[in-house]
Amino acid sequence: DTGVSQDPRHKITKRGQNVTFRCDPISEHNRLYWYRQTLGQGPEFLTYFQNEAQLEKSRLLSDRFSAERPKGSFSTLEIQRTEQGDSAMYLCASSLESTEAFFGQGTRLTVV
Amino acid sequence: DQQVKQNSPSLSVQEGRISILNCDYTNSMFDYFLWYKKYPAEGPTFLISISSIKDKNEDGRFTVFLNKSAKHLSLHIVPSQPGDSAVYFCAASVGAYSGAGSYQLTFGKGTKLSVIP
Repeated sequence: DTGVSQDPRHKITKRGQNVTFRCDPISEHNRLYWYRQTLGQGPEFLTYFQNEAQLEKSRLLSDRFSAERPKGSFSTLEIQRTEQGDSAMYLCASSLESTEAFFGQGTRLTVV
Repeated sequence: DQQVKQNSPSLSVQEGRISILNCDYTNSMFDYFLWYKKYPAEGPTFLISISSIKDKNEDGRFTVFLNKSAKHLSLHIVPSQPGDSAVYFCAASVGAYSGAGSYQLTFGKGTKLSVIP
């Protein structure tokens, strides 16, 4: 296991379609985070899991967004009825309880 | 309201000289600070961190200084190398160092460092 893996790396979708991204964290890490980064900005926190429990959600995470982490392993982030404003880099990170977060390479979403 | 601010969007430094990247924060509850480096088309890579109980942390060519009274931290890179050219993000969290927090990081907008050979 060499790090946090995200799939796909790039996704182009039409407005109104649903998309799902996957994140595989570093295997022993119990914490998993989703962030979003738009051009010229730093990453912004979306949500956080400790094992399978979703413990925090940002107000950025509208009702169209849902994240899951079944069995406390991989996680999925789904966006329903995509809008052009959802175009961004979606970053996943994982950590142990008292260590730094390690980020994946991200999924770049373009909504046309 | 930006709680973590990196006021210099870019910085150019000659190879071998010192690079100093600055970061200011407004939330006095932040107790753990991190610097991440990001190359294009990649995710951020952790560089160095410091807890609020310290004022300096050093790791090889990288040193982070924290001035709590001024709510200011800086990253020093000595000597700078062309491979250091990247975007550097300052980030902060509440409670992460003690394990009580979640590592919900608040990031600045980044500073693009260019090291000129």
